[in-house]
Amino acid sequence: EAGVAQSPRYKIIEKRQSVAFWCNPISGHATLYWYQQILGQGPKLLIQFQNNGVVDDSQLPKDRFSAERLKGVDSTLKIQPAKLEDSAVYLCASSPTGGWTDTQYFGPGTRLTVL
Amino acid sequence: QKEVEQDPGPLSVPEGAIVSLNCTYSNSAFQYFMWYRQYSRKGPELLMYTYSSGNKEDGRFTAQVDKSSKYISLFIRDSQPSDSATYLCASLNYGGSQGNLIFGKGTKLSVKP
Repeated sequence: EAGVAQSPRYKIIEKRQSVAFWCNPISGHATLYWYQQILGQGPKLLIQFQNNGVVDDSQLPKDRFSAERLKGVDSTLKIQPAKLEDSAVYLCASSPTGGWTDTQYFGPGTRLTVL
Repeated sequence: QKEVEQDPGPLSVPEGAIVSLNCTYSNSAFQYFMWYRQYSRKGPELLMYTYSSGNKEDGRFTAQVDKSSKYISLFIRDSQPSDSATYLCASLNYGGSQGNLIFGKGTKLSVKP
């Protein structure tokens, strides 16, 4: 079974530029998550999708971050404009149902450096 | 106060040692406790989970929850260099969505041959 795919793996941009990340979850998984993991910290949820609907985006900085999951499969996360403090690893995860006993499967992440 | 506290280490042990990794949590509603392992440049992977209190064993790994003291532990017996990774504890309240998972900062473990 293929795992969660993410691209690109690394991205370096200057502040105020825009950037987009792509995620392809495990086939058949209804729930998709985007996390931000700052160096030395645990992952922090940015947004959770159930199929193509948003379940929780309370921690997404909506003035600069946006995300979509078209057709309930792939997802993109965009930052526009980027700030220095956005430097982090952006992890995508998926799970079958999103229920509390589910298992989340994480992708390798995209490491973003904002200069 | 963060809901899940974890000493970031780093922790360095010789091969074959018993490793003890610990977290504390503050939310009494947490019922589901997980340990994730994260290798360098990789995403976290679920290692073990437990419900409520008690122990759970899986090979060389034992997860333990003490709800009275709000303490979560992971023990690794006969540690191997391949166990070198960052270990993240995570907690969730009963019936909550997986998106409500609260992670600790992670403890970086290095097992020396």
